[in-house]
Amino acid sequence: SQTIHQWPATLVQPVGSPLSLECTVEGTSNPNLYWYRQAAGRGLQLLFYSVGIGQISSEVPQNLSASRPQDRQFILSSKKLLLSDSGFYLCSWSKGSWYGTEAFFGQGTRLTVV
Amino acid sequence: GQQLNQSPQSMFIQEGEDVSMNCTSSSIFNTWLWYKQEPGEGPVLLIALYKAGELTSNGRLTAQFGITRKDSFLNISASIPSDVGIYFCAGQTQTGANNLFFGTGTRLTVIP
Repeated sequence: SQTIHQWPATLVQPVGSPLSLECTVEGTSNPNLYWYRQAAGRGLQLLFYSVGIGQISSEVPQNLSASRPQDRQFILSSKKLLLSDSGFYLCSWSKGSWYGTEAFFGQGTRLTVV
Repeated sequence: GQQLNQSPQSMFIQEGEDVSMNCTSSSIFNTWLWYKQEPGEGPVLLIALYKAGELTSNGRLTAQFGITRKDSFLNISASIPSDVGIYFCAGQTQTGANNLFFGTGTRLTVIP
């Protein structure tokens, strides 16, 4: 069966520090991978998605970047964090881009920038 | 992106009551998904719907894919305290990898 792992679960970082969140998927190949951010009590905002190694699409301009160095690995990064980067970050995967496939989420990372 | 209107935004109900929430869009979707998110956790898929008119159950949960393909409904029967959480609908189009659009969520509180 497929599983998705996301870490760390919580992170407190000072303003101006770098960021690296990692997500890995097991039990499938060539998944679509996604990074979302969720403000407290709000919906999901899509940040990046990837359909393959090295292929990254950005949905919103921001202080963050994403990379996919391996088929089942997706990394969210920042060189210098801002206070506004605080939030709950979720990694997700789905199989293929055709309709009828579900998306599955990791446990999330609570990032607090202080 | 596509706009999904989810209602109600929040609900406070007594344990044992039934719950209904819905999601509507101006666009047609090929798949509807319903998720539940508990505090500090990622959303968990509850029900997936693939055909217009489809009615699918998962325990006390029942969801329907609207005939027009522009809406979906989720019902929870005989609510219990562990039903507390935020419920999200998501509609999936056919085109491209960026094809899943989420509603804004319904926050459910169950009063024992």
